[in-house]
Amino acid sequence: NAGVTQTPKFQVLKTGQSMTLQCAQDMNHEYMSWYRQDPGMGLRLIHYSVGAGITDQGEVPNGYNVSRSTTEDFPLRLLSAAPSQTSVYFCASGSTSGGIYEQYFGPGTRLTVT
Amino acid sequence: DQQVKQNSPSLSVQEGRISILNCDYTNSMFDYFLWYKKYPAEGPTFLISISSIKDKNEDGRFTVFLNKSAKHLSLHIVPSQPGDSAVYFCAASTNDYKLSFGAGTTVTVRA
Repeated sequence: NAGVTQTPKFQVLKTGQSMTLQCAQDMNHEYMSWYRQDPGMGLRLIHYSVGAGITDQGEVPNGYNVSRSTTEDFPLRLLSAAPSQTSVYFCASGSTSGGIYEQYFGPGTRLTVT
Repeated sequence: DQQVKQNSPSLSVQEGRISILNCDYTNSMFDYFLWYKKYPAEGPTFLISISSIKDKNEDGRFTVFLNKSAKHLSLHIVPSQPGDSAVYFCAASTNDYKLSFGAGTTVTVRA
């Protein structure tokens, strides 16, 4: 199993550009989520999904869109990048069975917006 | 407003000694708590968890203690090893998958 994979690893954008961060998991997990990590602030939840076709907002959703058309994939879209979106982005997945809430994280995408 | 707080940004400990990491939370609805470990340029990896019905959970060298009345949990690592040098995040959940994370504590284990 590859676990949770994210592409790209690094990205530099100019203000106003758009891009999609890719996330895929091969563990058949129902739950997937996106977090951003900023210095001194830990990880903050952007969007999450409890299954294909179902998404919801987290703590910091503004400026980001998501969709979940398959169990495996959960892309994060930045429609018009802003310098405030410079961060490290982590995708995570977890199983919704058994009342266990551990999540498995991908390696991260480091995004810089200039 | 951060609901999960790790007030010590860093901790330095000698190899073989105990590392104690602390975490405080403000939301009394949290009922599941997790610790994650993170190495540079990698994603966080799950370490250990505890539900609110317990006050202690142990897994090898790692033990998590929960004091619900004080809204405080701690992670003990005994004995500390060089490979334990990493950033440790405390996280909490209200019986769902939305995790609230602390800012992290960087642990350095000295030889």
